Amino acid sequence: QVQLQQSGPGLVKPSQTLSLTCAISGDSVSRNGAAWIWIRQSPSRGLEWLGRTYYRSRWYYDYALSVKSRMTINPDTSKNQVSLQLNSVTPDDTAVYYCASQKGGGGMDVWGQGTTVTVSS
Amino acid sequence: DIQMTQSPSSLSASVGDRVTITCRASQSISGYLNWYQQKPGKAPKLLIYTASSLQSGVPSRFSGSGSGTDFTLTISSLQPEDFATYYCQQSYNTPLTFGGGTKVEIK
Repeated sequence: QVQLQQSGPGLVKPSQTLSLTCAISGDSVSRNGAAWIWIRQSPSRGLEWLGRTYYRSRWYYDYALSVKSRMTINPDTSKNQVSLQLNSVTPDDTAVYYCASQKGGGGMDVWGQGTTVTVSS
Repeated sequence: DIQMTQSPSSLSASVGDRVTITCRASQSISGYLNWYQQKPGKAPKLLIYTASSLQSGVPSRFSGSGSGTDFTLTISSLQPEDFATYYCQQSYNTPLTFGGGTKVEIK
């Protein structure tokens, strides 16, 4: 069964870079038909889709406009994981961050455990 | 972006009640609508995908219907473990967007 294990710091200083990793077991990050997604949740924004990557003969990337200029999703086939980097963070980026997998055009059926990230000096 | 509007935002119900939650999309999303259940401190859990397909392992008291812009999640007989917050989400196009949630509380 597919499992996603998140790791990364829970506290980031303003203007610095937030880096999170999502390790995949039971599936391959480069498998056709899967997409790997980052989502965050906060009281002010609710559930917010941040972006995704997927492999269909080559890698594709989609990002939410709200973070597109600051965010990078990076698949690592050697470690079978996907990472998120969010630059120049502000307190508004404080949230619980989740990675998830999406099968085809349907829902997100497997989720990481979530990482609470606080942006504060 | 496609806006997803859920109603009600909260409801109180008793064990055994039939519960209906609605979700409206700001434009047609065909059948690309998914439902999730979230409990405090946990990640959302997929219940229904593509409007009416029951995710593996989810009890059959959960059902979904609708197409186009209007969708419904129904719990046929509410159980104690169903008290949670429910979200709809469209997967028609990016950015994928979520409704604001419906909190189901004990009456």
